[in-house]
Amino acid sequence: SYVLTQSPSVSVAPGQTARITCGGYNIGTKSVHWYRQKPGQAPVVVVYDDSARPSGIPERFSGSNSGSTATLIISRVEVGDEADYYCQVWDSSTDHRVFGTGTKVTVL
Amino acid sequence: QVQLVESGGGVVQPGRSLRLSCAASGFTFSTYTLHWVRQAPGEGLEWVAVISSDGTNKYYPDSLKGRFTISRDNSKNTLYLQMNTLRDEDTAVYYCARQRERSTALDSWGQGTLVTVSS
Repeated sequence: SYVLTQSPSVSVAPGQTARITCGGYNIGTKSVHWYRQKPGQAPVVVVYDDSARPSGIPERFSGSNSGSTATLIISRVEVGDEADYYCQVWDSSTDHRVFGTGTKVTVL
Repeated sequence: QVQLVESGGGVVQPGRSLRLSCAASGFTFSTYTLHWVRQAPGEGLEWVAVISSDGTNKYYPDSLKGRFTISRDNSKNTLYLQMNTLRDEDTAVYYCARQRERSTALDSWGQGTLVTVSS
C-alpha cells in the first residue's frame, strides 16, 4: 500500500517560515492535499490539489509538489498556526485514500 | 452552510456491532462523494471508507474490508458506517467528510463521534 512519510515535528519562531514535507513514491504524479488539525477539533483543508487554497485560508499557506516530496509552506507564522498538519493523496491504483503520519508544528 | 453531524458513537464490547450515522445539510447531498475517517486517541488520521454519490462504488483499506460497511440514503441526506466484530483497536473518533467537487480533497468535516471498544 502507498505510504506517506512526514517529519514528526517542526518548530518555528513567529514571523518565520515553516516548511512541512510529505514524502511518497512518485508523489509528484499525484494531487496532494494538506489539513490542519487543532486539539479537539476536526481537520480543515488548508491546501488542495498541490497548491490551491480554499476560500478563507490566508495566502500565507502555499504548497508545492515534485518528485518524491510535497511541501506545505506557512509564511509569516503566527501563534494560531500551531497545530498538527497532515498530507493526503488518492492512490488511483487502489482507489484508496492515504494520510501522512502527521507533523506537529510548534510556534516558539 | 455545509453541516455534517455524526451520531451513534458510544461504548461497545469487543465483538459487538455499532452503526454510525452522519446527517448532512446545506448542500446537495446526492451529488457528493463521502468518506469516513477515524483517529485513535493520540494518533493520526486513518481513512476508513468512501462511497460514491449514487452509492454504487465503495472502497475500504484492506485492514477494514469485510468488517466495516459504508452506505448512504440520499432521500434522508444521511451517511452510515456499519461496524461489525469490533476490536479494541477500533477505538477512535470517527469523522464523516465530504469530498470536494472535481478534487479528491475532503473539504468539509463533521465534529466526530467517539467509539470506545472496551469490555
